[in-house]
Amino acid sequence: KNQVEQSPQSLIILEGKNCTLQCNYTVSPFSNLRWYKQDTGRGPVSLTIMTFSENTKSNGRYTATLDADTKQSSLHITASQLSDSASYICVLLSSQAGTALIFGKGTTLSVSS
Amino acid sequence: GAVVSQHPSRVICKSGTSVKIECRSLDFQATTMFWYRQFPKQSLMLMATSNEGSKATYEQGVEKDKFLINHASLTLSTLTVTSAHPEDSSFYICSASWPADYGYTFGSGTRLTVV
Repeated sequence: KNQVEQSPQSLIILEGKNCTLQCNYTVSPFSNLRWYKQDTGRGPVSLTIMTFSENTKSNGRYTATLDADTKQSSLHITASQLSDSASYICVLLSSQAGTALIFGKGTTLSVSS
Repeated sequence: GAVVSQHPSRVICKSGTSVKIECRSLDFQATTMFWYRQFPKQSLMLMATSNEGSKATYEQGVEKDKFLINHASLTLSTLTVTSAHPEDSSFYICSASWPADYGYTFGSGTRLTVV
């Protein structure tokens, strides 16, 4: 069964600190891996998209990494801000299942002052 | 670019009535649109895939007669929740894809409350 597991489930950090969110997957083969940010009561917004051949992709203070050998991805957030408080979702686009997106359950990040 | 507009953002309806949710791609033609449902603290669950001009493909367990999907044009898909009941209360999100780069853009979601 294709699965995407994210950890931790939730995380609380102080404003200005860095943090790293993890995503382990068993989806194979896949076209690309995406990280989305979802604010409460809103739709997901794309942060990064990486193909299986890419190792890292940055978008401002967000840096995603991908290790296809260990089937792990991480999202690193630097100098966190209060507005970073949201759910971060790891999503894979499976090649085998056509255009099916496979979602992780997300990590809920709370940034406090 | 690649903006998807979803309306309404919130709707409260009485049990037994029907509710229509619209999903529009504003600056691109969306050959395929997807409808998701999300419960609190859960991941998005795909309900159905709609292709312009053809019938929607529903995921297992989703009642096609209850959740009517129409994708009449390349920029508009609608989800109608018919004879809504309190258990249909949820957060509904649409997304649209375009061929280049397997891009997916999500709408802002609709919070449906059935009372």
